[in-house]
Amino acid sequence: DAGVTQSPTHLIKTRGQQVTLRCSPKSGHDTVSWYQQALGQGPQFIFQYYEEEERQRGNFPDRFSGHQFPNYSSELNVNALLLGDSALYLCASSGGRYNEQFFGPGTRLTVL
Amino acid sequence: GESVGLHLPTLSVQEGDNSIINCAYSNSASDYFIWYKQESGKGPQFIIDIRSNMDKRQGQRVTVLLNKTVKHLSLQIAATQPGDSAVYFCAERRGNNDMRFGAGTRLTVKP
Repeated sequence: DAGVTQSPTHLIKTRGQQVTLRCSPKSGHDTVSWYQQALGQGPQFIFQYYEEEERQRGNFPDRFSGHQFPNYSSELNVNALLLGDSALYLCASSGGRYNEQFFGPGTRLTVL
Repeated sequence: GESVGLHLPTLSVQEGDNSIINCAYSNSASDYFIWYKQESGKGPQFIIDIRSNMDKRQGQRVTVLLNKTVKHLSLQIAATQPGDSAVYFCAERRGNNDMRFGAGTRLTVKP
């Protein structure tokens, strides 16, 4: 049983570009949350998707958007990239009775 | 405002000793707390959790203590091993799966 998978592993973009990151949840999970983790910091909650809708959102600008597909996989889109968007982007899935979140390995985004 | 914070950014222990990692929280409405371990290049890994109606919970070599009076959470690791070296985060959950993380404590185990 595969855990949470994310792609790509690493990504390099330039300022002003747009990026799409992908996440496949753990089997049996229906909820996907996205986090941004800057170097030396704890993960910061971006938003959560359930039943293909954004259920909760953290303190991130509208440049950050997402989508959840019928198979529960999810995408995170960031428009008009800034240098400060450089971070590890983590996806976590949950579901079932206990709602424990399982994290993927993350996508390392570098904005030049 | 609300915050989840850690007392120390780094902790160094001798292999075989017990480790204690501390965390403070300020939101008395938080009802669920989790400890995560993050190794270099990996995502956070769930260690143990505790709900606000409990004071203590034990796992394999790990114990979490919750003191609601002073809003303090601790993670105790027994017989610390080199493989325990990592960054440890406490997190509080508000609502349904909206978790807030602290900055983390780096644990280094010396052989």
